[in-house]
Amino acid sequence: EVRLVETGGGLIQPGGSLRLSCAASGFTVSDTYMIWVRQGPGKGLEWVSLIYSGGSTYLADSVKGRFTISRDNSKNTLYLQMNSLRGEDTAIYYCAKGEFSSYDEYYFDSWGQGTLVTVSS
Amino acid sequence: QSVLTQPPSVSGAPGQRVTISCTGSNSNIGGGYDVHWYQQFPGTAPKLLIYRNSNRPSGVPDRFSGSKSGTSASLAITGLQAEDEADYFCQSYDNSLSISVLFGGGTKLTLL
Repeated sequence: EVRLVETGGGLIQPGGSLRLSCAASGFTVSDTYMIWVRQGPGKGLEWVSLIYSGGSTYLADSVKGRFTISRDNSKNTLYLQMNSLRGEDTAIYYCAKGEFSSYDEYYFDSWGQGTLVTVSS
Repeated sequence: QSVLTQPPSVSGAPGQRVTISCTGSNSNIGGGYDVHWYQQFPGTAPKLLIYRNSNRPSGVPDRFSGSKSGTSASLAITGLQAEDEADYFCQSYDNSLSISVLFGGGTKLTLL
């Protein structure tokens, strides 16, 4: 059974840093397209960062230069390092497992329960 | 404002049929790219509902169906039930963006 468990969220002051973890079981993170998606209060879904199985990583423009995605193959865990946090980063952060659809298209068939990040003084 | 446009809300009575639209452009849905749908209850993570336009994952009732035509896609729910009250999001690919994960703004389904 595929399972994703996010941890690491919390209350942090503007300018601070947090590292989110997404522990996976039932599949191998390093073989999989993985994504971080966030959802602000009362808002829709916004992709934040993704990593291909080959290791290529991408960041949304809104977090470029501040966030970093990585994975630890030995722990089968995905990470999101978040620096220089701003109020607009306040959201629930979900990690999700991608499934290939076609060409460079993926859909997300398993999601973690999410971890809340609140950026406030 | 999302590149994929969904109505903010739809409503229907139990037993009725509702549809939720997801309107894009020639660089995404109209370009032949797949559309996927997610269901989200308050306080919970999104759940895959429809993938590759019209396919249901195991366990999703056949009351849920997806279709695509031109630059739009639709999610149809027949025989509405109270437990269908949730938010629904579409997702597709856009060839004009540097990275192509694209979500619609979401639609809240309310049972009357």
